[in-house]
Amino acid sequence: AQKITQTQPGMFVQEKEAVTLDCTYDTSDQSYGLFWYKQPSSGEMIFLIYQGSYDEQNATEGRYSLNFQKARKSANLVISASQLGDSAMYFCAMRGSISNFGNEKLTFGTGTRLTIIP
Amino acid sequence: NAGVTQTPKFQVLKTGQSMTLQCAQDMNHEYMSWYRQDPGMGLRLIHYSVGAGITDQGEVPNGYNVSRSTTEDFPLRLLSAAPSQTSVYFCASSYWTSGSYEQYFGPGTRLTVT
Repeated sequence: AQKITQTQPGMFVQEKEAVTLDCTYDTSDQSYGLFWYKQPSSGEMIFLIYQGSYDEQNATEGRYSLNFQKARKSANLVISASQLGDSAMYFCAMRGSISNFGNEKLTFGTGTRLTIIP
Repeated sequence: NAGVTQTPKFQVLKTGQSMTLQCAQDMNHEYMSWYRQDPGMGLRLIHYSVGAGITDQGEVPNGYNVSRSTTEDFPLRLLSAAPSQTSVYFCASSYWTSGSYEQYFGPGTRLTVT
């Protein structure tokens, strides 16, 4: 069984500061994938970034980077130079057995609500 | 390129009624999924498909049916609506190759069962 834990229900950050959103996971799979999603107050769900368990380098997408520490089973999302538009709910998720491309079963955490303060 | 479209955006059903939530994508993605999101929770996978004619159950499949007759369409059927199925439903399509992943969500359907 897979489990995702997001321990920060809410965060307030000053605009232009960097933000780290915590995510820890638990799985018995040897290969797996980790994902982050953004959900603004409008309700849409936006895929942000993906990290495979065998990827040696941390994934980056623009201002988003995933700080992957395999031994600690953590996959924190880092947002550099935060903007007001970053205010949203952020979900961490994982997918097991990524060696099987047919497996689309994602397990989600409960989310962190990020508020950027001007 | 419309991405992922879902209809309807809002729906109210009475207990026992059936309905179909529509989902379509125009990106030729092989993988499509249906999720539900309940208040204060992340998404939970209902059903998914890895290509036309191939579907499988997710975490919470009971009370729902799917089919995938074409690459573009992946409808979700509620067989006999129950109040426990009140939720926001998201359809997603994704593209997966070794080392690369893309996923797009539809705007969601807010369903209320009374």
